[in-house]
Amino acid sequence: RKEVEQDPGPFNVPEGATVAFNCTYSNSASQSFFWYRQDCRKEPKLLMSVYSSGNEDGRFTAQLNRASQYISLLIRDSKLSDSATYLCVVNIGSGSARQLTFGSGTQLTVLP
Amino acid sequence: EPEVTQTPSHQVTQMGQEVILRCVPISNHLYFYWYRQILGQKVEFLVSFYNNEISEKSEIFDDQFSVERPDGSNFTLKIRSTKLEDSAMYFCASIFGQGDTEAFFGQGTRLTVV
Repeated sequence: RKEVEQDPGPFNVPEGATVAFNCTYSNSASQSFFWYRQDCRKEPKLLMSVYSSGNEDGRFTAQLNRASQYISLLIRDSKLSDSATYLCVVNIGSGSARQLTFGSGTQLTVLP
Repeated sequence: EPEVTQTPSHQVTQMGQEVILRCVPISNHLYFYWYRQILGQKVEFLVSFYNNEISEKSEIFDDQFSVERPDGSNFTLKIRSTKLEDSAMYFCASIFGQGDTEAFFGQGTRLTVV
């Protein structure tokens, strides 16, 4: 089983749509969770951290279910500029032993 | 805004040659990482580095790979004898401290082995 698993997509949605991405992770000892965004041939950039209580940043909402080892990202009112690959990232370990493990990414294209 | 810088942006090398990829992490960061991404594939962990030594390394990081922080600012990845399958984008990242804080990635070095 992959350590971090995501639906690869692609997701093609019209502007203004709501889109949801899901992610599962296999290591129950995982410490922390993130969504990163990666534009074509660019470096990953942090979109948001994911907390057990759920968290929201503008149009973006992230949720974590530790019992199910499941993470989600919801994008509301999608914009053309949201087109990118969204990476589910899990931190295994802590301190000097931390290791970010990436999912394969879900590709999103927002269409005009 | 402080950033992680990597040089060169693109390196072409012949199979069997040694390459050194350079990174300057954010100055007050303590934890450093190398990741690679083969074209069209996921970002893969190579190695983490803290307090001037390797903390963790993946199966990919075999004896052909080494890392160094020679002067307190640069953080280098050396591939001793490159293979065709080493062709990838190599990302350096740094994190400030032990808390679950953001990892900042450099813009990457695209390595092409011919």
